[in-house]
Amino acid sequence: NAGVTQTPKFRVLKTGQSMTLLCAQDMNHEYMYWYRQDPGMGLRLIHYSVGEGTTAKGEVPDGYNVSRLKKQNFLLGLESAAPSQTSVYFCASRDRDGYSYEQYFGPGTRLTVT
Amino acid sequence: ILNVEQSPQSLHVQEGDSTNFTCSFPSSNFYALHWYRWETAKSPEALFVMTLNGDEKKKGRISATLNTKEGYSYLYIKGSQPEDSATYLCAPPSRRALTFGSGTRLQVQP
Repeated sequence: NAGVTQTPKFRVLKTGQSMTLLCAQDMNHEYMYWYRQDPGMGLRLIHYSVGEGTTAKGEVPDGYNVSRLKKQNFLLGLESAAPSQTSVYFCASRDRDGYSYEQYFGPGTRLTVT
Repeated sequence: ILNVEQSPQSLHVQEGDSTNFTCSFPSSNFYALHWYRWETAKSPEALFVMTLNGDEKKKGRISATLNTKEGYSYLYIKGSQPEDSATYLCAPPSRRALTFGSGTRLQVQP
């Protein structure tokens, strides 16, 4: 049982390049999330999904797109990377709706945009 | 977007010291409060989920209390150890996600 995994672990992009970050979970969770972590700002929600085929915007969605074609996978895309997107990206998942269900986090992807 | 504040931003203590820090959140429309522990180079891990006013949760040397009427929660660590060094995040739910505070970074010196 791997939990939540993220691919890749590290990546360096040049401004304007595109890439996709993959999040996979094997816990059959309905909800999945993408966060970015920047110094002094904690975790900020980019996009989330409440089930296969659904996506919704979070606090900082601009410059990112997401897709949830399969329940176990949640993809985060950067169409045209900018230096402001240099960050550590965390994926998380949660079992179901309800305020007391905890989130399980992946190990993170460190992205640098030069 | 909920306004979640944590204080202090960082804390340095000596091994064996007890310490506490605060999470403030909107008291209206309260549903729950989550605490997470985040060690450097690792992923955040859930510590507690608190739902009732007056709730007190405990895990080993770490405990938390909740006051939903005034909108705050305290996290206490008794007899801090170097392995307690981490960032502690609180997060009330907002819609279908969590809104994280910026965290309290604790460093425990041996």
